[in-house]
Amino acid sequence: EPEVTQTPSHQVTQMGQEVILRCVPISNHLYFYWYRQILGQKVEFLVSFYNNEISEKSEIFDDQFSVERPDGSNFTLKIRSTKLEDSAMYFCASRELVSSYEQYFGPGTRLTVT
Amino acid sequence: GDSVTQMEGPVTLSEEAFLTINCTYTATGYPSLFWYVQYPGEGLQLLLKATKADDKGSNKGFEATYRKETTSFHLEKGSVQVSDSAVYFCALTTYSSASKIIFGSGTRLSIRP
Repeated sequence: EPEVTQTPSHQVTQMGQEVILRCVPISNHLYFYWYRQILGQKVEFLVSFYNNEISEKSEIFDDQFSVERPDGSNFTLKIRSTKLEDSAMYFCASRELVSSYEQYFGPGTRLTVT
Repeated sequence: GDSVTQMEGPVTLSEEAFLTINCTYTATGYPSLFWYVQYPGEGLQLLLKATKADDKGSNKGFEATYRKETTSFHLEKGSVQVSDSAVYFCALTTYSSASKIIFGSGTRLSIRP
């Protein structure tokens, strides 16, 4: 069964450093998402991406964040200058069609900022 | 805006007990409703879904019915197992070009042998 994959599974970085989290969505999916979950808290929407542009973003997704689909398969989340409060689990998700509401989630990348 | 409220945890039950986790929602339009499960150390898995009023989603012995009149989508299971110990998230999405998922705060369930 096709699945969303994410790399790395765990990333440790120092405050102020740039990080790039990578996702490979399911191949025929058209909509891509990033969510985050701070330890012990709810899962929060960050950004959605369709047709090579951002379709919606949350208040969390400020100028420090960016997303890109550099080729036909990868979908990346970049944090330009990490802060301690960026420590969280980051989930990528993808969705097939407008009429299909189901999103498929990857296993997540745990980001630890020290 | 759209939101999901679910019962606070943690919930601790004995094996074979009956489980209910309450979930209510607020949404404009007609949302699709989901229950996701997160096992320890793992990502999010879709447990079940319902896309319109009176639909019943079911999977692995879990059930939830989309109740428009009470704006609820309570999760139930007749006889829980130790392996059901996890965090359960109620969630919704509404039709839009983005259709982001809005999650509840999660309910941690622990089952005693």
